[in-house]
Amino acid sequence: QKEVEQNSGPLSVPEGAIASLNCTYSDRGSQSFFWYRQYSGKSPELIMSIYSNGDKEDGRFTAQLNKASQYVSLLIRDSQPSDSATYLCAVNKASNFGNEKLTFGTGTRLTIIP
Amino acid sequence: GAVVSQHPSRVICKSGTSVKIECRSLDFQATTMFWYRQFPKQSLMLMATSNEGSKATYEQGVEKDKFLINHASLTLSTLTVTSAHPEDSSFYICSARDWRTGPGAQETQYFGPGTRLLVL
Repeated sequence: QKEVEQNSGPLSVPEGAIASLNCTYSDRGSQSFFWYRQYSGKSPELIMSIYSNGDKEDGRFTAQLNKASQYVSLLIRDSQPSDSATYLCAVNKASNFGNEKLTFGTGTRLTIIP
Repeated sequence: GAVVSQHPSRVICKSGTSVKIECRSLDFQATTMFWYRQFPKQSLMLMATSNEGSKATYEQGVEKDKFLINHASLTLSTLTVTSAHPEDSSFYICSARDWRTGPGAQETQYFGPGTRLLVL
């Protein structure tokens, strides 16, 4: 089992619809969760961070965390063509405490269809 | 948000030469920086954790004598690829951890723009 798993996609969503990206993780003691967006040929850009169970909203983005299910998701409302990118889920595992290195999923490639 | 810069953005070198990549946190102090490598269509792979004033911690399988890391100040870490070979060609990305206090700051990592290395 991979430490952080994401569906590689591609995920195609019509413009204006909601894009839903999912991520599961194996370390039950993980504390911090992040979503990064990476455009082709560019470095990752932080979109959202979430630390507590529930939802966290920032503009068109909503991160959802369920620690019992070891599941974190990212919803993008009113999807725009500029949202087309690879979305990386990153987890700070409990075993990394004191080092705080992130473990990344392989990313989900999202394409917004105009 | 926090800004991290990298230099150079792109480098082409001959096999056997050494290449130094700089990573700077521009508007915050970073006691910890991370170096990643990304091959085409693959995810980020952490190479090493760079701590200011101490030796870097390398991930399993990463040769510390080949990838030299120096973190001499709170705003600068360097990665030197020694005796580079074509298989070292990759996208090298650094990140810096922002520990500024305040709600939500926590331990967020911000990435530099990356350095694309091509070894001929």
